[in-house]
Amino acid sequence: AQSVTQLDSHVSVSEGTPVLLRCNYSSSYSPSLFWYVQHPNKGLQLLLKYTSAATLVKGINGFEAEFKKSETSFHLTKPSAHMSDAAEYFCVVSDLKGKLIFGQGTELSVKP
Amino acid sequence: NAGVTQTPKFQVLKTGQSMTLQCAQDMNHNSMYWYRQDPGMGLRLIYYSASEGTTDKGEVPNGYNVSRLNKREFSLRLESAAPSQTSVYFCASGLAGGLFSTDTQYFGPGTRLTVL
Repeated sequence: AQSVTQLDSHVSVSEGTPVLLRCNYSSSYSPSLFWYVQHPNKGLQLLLKYTSAATLVKGINGFEAEFKKSETSFHLTKPSAHMSDAAEYFCVVSDLKGKLIFGQGTELSVKP
Repeated sequence: NAGVTQTPKFQVLKTGQSMTLQCAQDMNHNSMYWYRQDPGMGLRLIYYSASEGTTDKGEVPNGYNVSRLNKREFSLRLESAAPSQTSVYFCASGLAGGLFSTDTQYFGPGTRLTVL
């Protein structure tokens, strides 16, 4: 069965510094992987997705993620954090029937 | 183009009451989904509909029923609400559904439900 583990429940960075949100996955086949963002009291928005094409995936708002099969990881990064990046981030894997399986979420705080 | 809409935005129920959460999408998507979000647990799938006329159970279906009214609308019903159903409920839709595991899902704004 597919699963994802987000290694940090909360990450705090200063504005202008890099962001790293860590995600490990488990899958018996080549998975589709996603990162979604949820701003306070809002729905979820797709940041980026990996579907077995390029291993480095670029998303919206300067975020990117790298698929590393040997490490079963799909970490999300951004070179320079903005205050508007403060939100909860979900790493997600899709099963063979197209159903999404969510990680527990990582709350990102950005300090001025 | 409103995307995925949900009503109501907020609801407070007493234990044992029933209610229906409404969801509609205007993107001509085939698949629709209901999730619940609880602190520290991410989103968990309650029910989904891969296409009009079909529904299937997800991870946490107990205490819920669904109806795929037509291609646009997918409702979630709580027949006898319990405090354990206090949660934020999200509806989502996707273009292809079924076996297309690369399908992106688009989410509504959510319904905050409290059961006293």
